[in-house]
Formats: sequence, structure tokens, C-alpha cells
Amino acid sequence: EIVLTQSPGTLSLSPGERATLSCRASQSVSRNSLAWYQQRPGQAPRLLIYRASTRASGIPDRFSGSGSGTDFTLTIRRLEPEDSAVYYCQQYGNSPFGGGTKVDIK
Amino acid sequence: QVQLLQSGAEMKKPGASVKVSCKASGYTFTDYFLHWVRQAPGQGLERMGWVDPGNGDTTYAQKFQGRVTMTKDTSISTVYMELTSLTSDDTAVYYCARDPAPSGEWWFDLWGRGTLVTVSS
Repeated sequence: EIVLTQSPGTLSLSPGERATLSCRASQSVSRNSLAWYQQRPGQAPRLLIYRASTRASGIPDRFSGSGSGTDFTLTIRRLEPEDSAVYYCQQYGNSPFGGGTKVDIK
Repeated sequence: QVQLLQSGAEMKKPGASVKVSCKASGYTFTDYFLHWVRQAPGQGLERMGWVDPGNGDTTYAQKFQGRVTMTKDTSISTVYMELTSLTSDDTAVYYCARDPAPSGEWWFDLWGRGTLVTVSS
């Protein structure tokens, strides 16, 4: 199974800044089969990005995904207080989710 | 409105079983696999398996095989997840989630709000 390692564990930023979240896979992810989710405190996860770079319906264009092979990135531009959440990456198929990156907006 | 509506919180004793329901609305129930994902307090997301509402086929994560059963009732657009022989390690929020790929790819575009299952003596 492919293991996903997310970094950093926590990111503390100010409104208006840019967040760059990393997701590294232990093996190459085929066909860019990678998704990103946002989970705000007390809420269910929400799909942000699929196929590594395609925004899900209703997701603001401040969120973008990139990468291929073993290295993937979620970028959040112009951070807003509502972006405070844990972000998970996930490879399609029966493999574990990444461990998550917590984004705190000061 | 497209949504997944889950049953309410449950409190169970060790060794008991729990059955959680997830009712789909706003889309054709049989068109999409439905998965179960759980999250222990303060922890990450863990996939448990899926059910195909079209024909009832299931696939379970190895960790849960023998202890989990996922079923469907097409007449009320509802899937169920039953977990037996509960221990305190099963205390978690259990989510149902829709797989948007026609043949199932184990990623999720729609989530229920979750059902908290607490296992305590």
C-alpha cells in the first residue's frame, strides 16, 4: 500500500497569506489519483481537489492542487479565517489517508 | 438537495454491536457506491469499506473483516453499517461518504455529518 506523508504538521499563518501544504507518497501515484479534503473543527470532511489538480464543485479558486508522481501540493492563496482546518490528502484506492496538516489562521 | 443523512449518536457497552444508517437523497441511490470512514477522537480518517447500492456487493478493509457488515435497503435509499464485538478502540465518529466514480475508486465527493459511537462500560 502507498503511504502518504503530509507536512508540515501544523501551519500558523495570518489572513491574506499563502499556505503551501505538502503530501509525499511512498510510491508513485498512478494517473494523479490523489484528492485533498478540508475538515473544519466539528465538521465532516469536504472534498476540495480531485485528480490532483481539479477543484471540486463550489470550491473557491483560492484553492489549487498540483504535483504528480510522488509529490503533491495544496496551495491556499489569500487565507481567510474560515480556512482554519485540518487538510488531508488521499490516494484513491484502499490505502490510508495522509496524517493531515492543521492550518491555524492567527 | 443532495445529501447523506445519518442516524444519531449511540452509546454501547464493550462486546455489543452497533448499526448506523445513512439515507441518501437528491440523487439516484443506485448510481454511486457508498463508503464508511471512521475517525477516532483527535485522530485521522480510516476507511472501513463500501457497499454498492445497485447490487449489494461489499468490500471491507482487512482490519474490519469478520466484524463489519454493510447492507442496503433500496426501497428507502439507505445503507447500513453494523460493527460487532465493540471495544473502546471503536469509539469514533462514523461517516458515510459517496464515491463519485462509476466503478468505485475510493474517493469521496459527498459526506454525511457523522455518527458518534461511544463504547464504554
